[in-house]
Amino acid sequence: DTAVSQTPKYLVTQMGNDKSIKCEQNLGHDTMYWYKQDSKKFLKIMFSYNNKELIINETVPNRFSPKSPDKAHLNLHINSLELGDSAVYFCASSQGPNSPLHFGNGTRLTVT
Amino acid sequence: AQSVTQLDSQVPVFEEAPVELRCNYSSSVSVYLFWYVQYPNQGLQLLLKYLSGSTLVESINGFEAEFNKSQTSFHLRKPSVHISDTAEYFCAVTPISGGYQKVTFGIGTKLQVIP
Repeated sequence: DTAVSQTPKYLVTQMGNDKSIKCEQNLGHDTMYWYKQDSKKFLKIMFSYNNKELIINETVPNRFSPKSPDKAHLNLHINSLELGDSAVYFCASSQGPNSPLHFGNGTRLTVT
Repeated sequence: AQSVTQLDSQVPVFEEAPVELRCNYSSSVSVYLFWYVQYPNQGLQLLLKYLSGSTLVESINGFEAEFNKSQTSFHLRKPSVHISDTAEYFCAVTPISGGYQKVTFGIGTKLQVIP
C-alpha cells in the first residue's frame, strides 16, 4: 500500500487554466505539507496543515489554495496558472513537529 | 532562521569507491538533522536522522553520517558505493523547539556512480 499518494502524476495545461492536485496519506499522521521543487531541484515548503488546521503558509501567491477535508487528505488548487508554476509538487506527511517527512512521488506540472 | 549548505552539486565516483557528501548548516538554535535520498522520478525518502545521542548515525544500506556541533556539519559517507546509490541526496534541518517548524533543505547533491 502506498503511504502518501498524490494524483495526477503528470499535469500538462495551458496558462490561465485552473487545476487541482490531490494527496492522501494512510499513515495516520496528523501533519501534511505541500512542497514545490523547481527545475534546479530546490525544495521549498508552501503549506502545512495539522489536523485540518493551516499552520504554515509561506509566501505563496494567493492563486494557490490548499484544502484539507480531513487529516488524511490535503489537496492543492491552483487558479490562473502561469508559466512559472511549472515544477514538481510534492505532498508529504509527518507524525508531528520535527518528525521525518514521508513524501509522495510528486506531480510534475507543466504550464504551456 | 536556518540555512543548509551542500557544497557539491554533483559528485561522480567509481563503483566500490568511498564517497563523502558534505553538509553544513547554520542555526541560532539547536536542530535535528536529516539526510533524504531522491531516486529518479520519485519522492524523497528518509535515509537517516540525528535527533540526539550518538553523533554517528547509520542507515540500513551502508550510509553513515556524523554530527559535528562545533563545525556545524553533518556529512554523509559510504565506504563503498553501488550503481544503485545513484540519486540526489538532500540534507535538511529543523529546529528543536515546541510547535511546528519548517524543515529547511539544502539544494541537493547528485551522486553519480560510474561503473
